[in-house]
Amino acid sequence: AQSVAQPEDQVNVAEGNPLTVKCTYSVSGNPYLFWYVQYPNRGLQFLLKYITGDNLVKGSYGFEAEFNKSQTSFHLKKPSALVSDSALYFCAVKWGPGGSYIPTFGRGTSLIVHP
Amino acid sequence: NAGVTQTPKFQVLKTGQSMTLQCAQDMNHEYMSWYRQDPGMGLRLIHYSVGAGITDQGEVPNGYNVSRSTTEDFPLRLLSAAPSQTSVYFCASSRDRSQPTYEQYFGPGTRLTVT
Repeated sequence: AQSVAQPEDQVNVAEGNPLTVKCTYSVSGNPYLFWYVQYPNRGLQFLLKYITGDNLVKGSYGFEAEFNKSQTSFHLKKPSALVSDSALYFCAVKWGPGGSYIPTFGRGTSLIVHP
Repeated sequence: NAGVTQTPKFQVLKTGQSMTLQCAQDMNHEYMSWYRQDPGMGLRLIHYSVGAGITDQGEVPNGYNVSRSTTEDFPLRLLSAAPSQTSVYFCASSRDRSQPTYEQYFGPGTRLTVT
């Protein structure tokens, strides 16, 4: 079955430490992968995407993500976490033509950065 | 640009009442969609539209109707509200569903409580 998974409901990290939020996927064909962030009482905001090419993608607010085809993963990373990074993070995948490029979202990971 | 706007921000309904959640975008996006967000469930697709006059069902369409008479507007109708429809509802848009590279833009959400 086609799916996207975020195996951790919550990630805790100290400010200044590197952070990783995990995402794995299972789709037919080439995946198009996205990360979004949701701050409290707000809608989702786009962070970055992988379409093709370089496996390391850089996005907004210092975030980056690495596409690993062999491990079917697209983990979100940041070298040095900020308290203001605390939010809910969603991974999403599109595929086609059976998936018709309609995005499927993971369940979200709550990132908590401690001062 | 205002982006994606949603009204109302909050709503309380009694079981059996009907209402319409409004969504509008000013980016001339072809693709629009409605999601509901519930704790531990992530985002679930209710209905989507690939252009004016064209709508289709998502993962959880029961109890909801949509129409798309213009490119800008995509209202979501609850015909007879049930407590199970208590949720936060997000409208999203993107340029073109057939091009998988485009990210989605989300509205601020409507928090609905059905008593």
